[in-house]
Order: sequence, then C-alpha cells, then structure tokens
Amino acid sequence: GENVEQHPSTLSVQEGDSAVIKCTYSDSASNYFPWYKQELGKRPQLIIDIRSNVGEKKDQRIAVTLNKTAKHFSLHITETQPEDSAVYFCAAPRGYSGGGADGLTFGKGTHLIIQP
Amino acid sequence: DSGVTQTPKHLITATGQRVTLRCSPRSGDLSVYWYQQSLDQGLQFLIQYYNGEERAKGNILERFSAQQFPDLHSELNLSSLELGDSALYFCASSQTPFRREYNEQFFGPGTRLTVL
Repeated sequence: GENVEQHPSTLSVQEGDSAVIKCTYSDSASNYFPWYKQELGKRPQLIIDIRSNVGEKKDQRIAVTLNKTAKHFSLHITETQPEDSAVYFCAAPRGYSGGGADGLTFGKGTHLIIQP
Repeated sequence: DSGVTQTPKHLITATGQRVTLRCSPRSGDLSVYWYQQSLDQGLQFLIQYYNGEERAKGNILERFSAQQFPDLHSELNLSSLELGDSALYFCASSQTPFRREYNEQFFGPGTRLTVL
C-alpha cells in the first residue's frame, strides 16, 4: 500500500512570508495528490489537488508542485495571513479496489503557525 | 458546509459498550468513506462503501463494522469499545469512483467519541 511522509511537523512563519510543506509517496502508480486544511475541531477541507499529468497547479496564493520522478509533492503558500494558521495534510491514493479508486493515505500533518 | 452530515457530534460511553455513528453523503454521491483521526495514529482510512456494497477496507479493527443502506446513508458500528478507540471519526463522500480516477472527497463535521 501507499506510504506518505510529510515534513515538517510544525512550521512557524512571519505573516506575509511564504510557507512550504513537503510530502513524499511510495507508490509510483499514484496519480492524485490532494492537500487538506484542518482548523482546530473542524473537518478537513480540500484546498488544492493535483493529478499526475501536470507538474504544477496554482490557485491564488496556494500552489502545489509534483515531481513524479522523485515521488514528492509540495504545498506552497505565499503572502501568508493569520487565517492560514491550521494543520495541513497531504494525501495520496491508498490503492484501487475492484477496478475503482478507494481511500486516501494521509501524511501526519503540518501545524502551520503564522506569527503576526 | 460540505453537504455531508454526521450524527451525533459527540458521544461519551464506557469501555465494553457498543455505539453507532451515522453519516449521510452529499446528494448524488454514491461512495462513502470512514476515517479515524487520533493524536497518535493521525488520519486513517477505515472502510469504503459504494452504492451499498463494501469496496475497500483499510485499518479497520474486527470489532468495527459498517454498512451503507439503500438511501446511501452509512453507519459505522463500534463494539467492545476500548480506551484507545477514543478519536474523531469522519465520514467523507465522493462521486462515483471508476477506473483509476479520483474525485474530491468531501468530509463531514465528524463525531468525537470518548470512551471512559
């Protein structure tokens, strides 16, 4: 099955600076890589995802890059704001059952702290 | 609001007891996924149902079981509860998974289970 490693576990940045969170995966057949943001006591919410047919995807201040050869993908947040403070999770497909996609394997999470 | 509902929000029970968690997916979503989130294990995939049938199993204990009903709502049954079962249990739903394509998984608000 898939194994996802995420670093760092905690990241503190000054408001306005950029933040980068990195993940590696083990299954070279994986083709979908979502990033979720979870605020304290709330549900995980998808903020961006990327499929293996592209190397980069942007959505305003958020971008994700994918390196299939190295089997790693990264989340980039620019011009960080206080509301970006949360735990961020990367994920990859756990596998495929009966010909269809099944659950996600998540990284351990990164606690992003935006310092005012 | 993701459109996925879960009840109850909180559940406090004793060791050895049995509980049932309920999930209603977004309108039109045929797939339901259950995840467990704890401090030590992180966010872990438990089981997936698609249109009433079990599709995939993850790290689900034998004491746990689930089902999906004809109206597509799902229930997760946890029995012989232990202190270590205390966690946040999330349900997620997605559109039909087919072949090796992934669609976004929308998470519900979760059920916080406390076993005393």
